[in-house]
Order: sequence, then structure tokens, then C-alpha cells
Amino acid sequence: DAGVIQSPRHEVTEMGQEVTLRCKPISGHDYLFWYRQTMMRGLELLIYFNNNVPIDDSGMPEDRFSAKMPNASFSTLKIQPSEPRDSAVYFCASSGQGSSYNEQFFGPGTRLTVL
Amino acid sequence: AQTVTQSQPEMSVQEAETVTLSCTYDTSESDYYLFWYKQPPSRQMILVIRQEAYKQQNATENRFSVNFQKAAKSFSLKISDSQLGDAAMYFCALKNSGGYQKVTFGTGTKLQVIP
Repeated sequence: DAGVIQSPRHEVTEMGQEVTLRCKPISGHDYLFWYRQTMMRGLELLIYFNNNVPIDDSGMPEDRFSAKMPNASFSTLKIQPSEPRDSAVYFCASSGQGSSYNEQFFGPGTRLTVL
Repeated sequence: AQTVTQSQPEMSVQEAETVTLSCTYDTSESDYYLFWYKQPPSRQMILVIRQEAYKQQNATENRFSVNFQKAAKSFSLKISDSQLGDAAMYFCALKNSGGYQKVTFGTGTKLQVIP
């Protein structure tokens, strides 16, 4: 299996622009998670989906952030408009019922820089 | 609310020696899962080891082992025969065993391996 795939790996944009981050979970996994990692706040859960349905979005910072999962193999995290404080590494992770631990497997992350 | 505390922001170990990273946690649940993740400079989050709370036996994965003390709510990671490739940030994490999938992460310990 290729693991969790994220794109792009790096994104540099200017304040006010729309940013879209993409994620392909591990095939067969029914949970998908979006995290943000910063030095100040550590690793924060933004939102997670189960069978393509958002279950908990309480970590989404504000209305500028939105996430979708149109099918089992694809999810997007969109920031519109972007701000410098959104600069961070964004991780996607997935997990499945195959393991009793339901451990999460992470993608390589997208490093976002908003100028 | 559950919490995970890693009180050692940084640690160092000589190559081939043994090091122990500390983690304490708090949860009101009786059954849960504990994990250690490694994040090398590539920033990929890699699962190192996992433990289910109701299992008495401490988990072991090659050179990595844990000391799980349920009553003390302690979950330390021991790395034996440390190698240069072990240099990374290490995160302790906690997930309840019920349907809710949120994982709580600690703030991390940066491990330096000295040649």
C-alpha cells in the first residue's frame, strides 16, 4: 500500500489567496483526520470523517476553514482567505477497523507558508 | 477531558546506550490505547509502538519497549542500543477505546543521539 498521500508537499501563497490541500487515505480505511502542527500549539485535530461524513469539526479554527470528503478515497481542506497565522504543517491521517487499536497512519504533511 | 503530558522537552543519549522518555496521561476511561509516534526531520509521523490499557504485558517492538503503569497513569518509552536514526521528536498519544476516534497528543520530546 502506498500509505496516506498528501499534495502538495509545500505550498507558498500570499495572504488572501485560497489554498486547497488534498489527501488520499489508505485504501479500506473508513476514518480520515486533518491535523495542524505548529511550534506554538503542537498537533491539533481540526476535523475527522467516518465513512465520508464529518463527525467532529470542533477543531476547525474559523469559517475560513472548510473540509470535504466527496468519496472514500479523497478529501480536501480549504482555507479561504488565507492569513499568515495559518502557516503550519497540515497532516492528513487515516485509520480503519482492521486493527483493534484503530491506530492512525499519517501522510507526509503539507508545509503551508502564507506571506 | 483527557490530557497527555511529556515533561522532557529535550533528551540526549550516546549512540548504543539506552534512553527512557517519560509520558503521563489522564483519562476517566477504563479502557484506552496508548501510542508512541516518532517524527524525524522529514516530519513524517511514524507509529513506533502501541499498548492497550487492559493488557498487563508491556509492549515491545525490537529495540523499543514501554513501561506501562496503569495505576500511575504512566507510559514511558525505552529505546535500547540507540542509533543515529533514532534522533527525532517523539510524541506520546492517548485514544479511548470507544467509538470516538480523537487522539490526544503530548507536546513531544526531542531526542538527540550523540555519536
